[in-house]
Amino acid sequence: GAGVSQSPSNKVTEKGKDVELRCDPISGHTALYWYRQSLGQGLEFLIYFQGNSAPDKSGLPSDRFSAERTGGSVSTLTIQRTQQEDSAVYLCASSLIGRGGRDTQYFGPGTRLTVL
Amino acid sequence: AQKVTQAQTEISVVEKEDVTLDCVYETRDTTYYLFWYKQPPSGELVFLIRRNSFDEQNEISGRYSWNFQKSTSSFNFTITASQVVDSAVYFCALSEALTWGKTGRRALTFGSGTRLQVQP
Repeated sequence: GAGVSQSPSNKVTEKGKDVELRCDPISGHTALYWYRQSLGQGLEFLIYFQGNSAPDKSGLPSDRFSAERTGGSVSTLTIQRTQQEDSAVYLCASSLIGRGGRDTQYFGPGTRLTVL
Repeated sequence: AQKVTQAQTEISVVEKEDVTLDCVYETRDTTYYLFWYKQPPSGELVFLIRRNSFDEQNEISGRYSWNFQKSTSSFNFTITASQVVDSAVYFCALSEALTWGKTGRRALTFGSGTRLQVQP
């Protein structure tokens, strides 16, 4: 079956612009996660959605970052007023959480964001 | 707080050598999951294995084997008879194991990764 998909695969933007990154999780997966991978910071958790519960936003680095998940499926990560330090690969993952859920996160190919 | 340490930044071996990637973790959770992911040059994180904290049985899958030792908080990964295709960055990760209906932090805490280069 289809895995996690992300778009765009690459995004180049100018400092101060807003960007939107999209994630389409594996069909039927109830949980969705965003991570960021950068040279200096490694792999960092950003935000987590599960079903109708309030998202865990504890990893968002600033209020310029926000995310939403519509209809329990597709998610959009928005970065406002981008800064050069936002340059990184943004990874999305999904997992199946349920009575028999394995809670294993499967990752998409990522979006490479470059802020000039 | 959770922490995962992969002390080996980079390892270089010659094809057919065995290689072990070390992973040491810290957590206050009584139940937790440990993972290994592979990140080849293409960039996508590929899931390799998940281990529950209450199951210390070691596992072998083809050329891959994992040694989980709760007493030393380690979850090491061995590749036997390495191949060039094994060249990648390998990440060890940790998450709290939450039962159905229980809320909590399911996010993965990753180690810094070990870059493995297998020379032909």
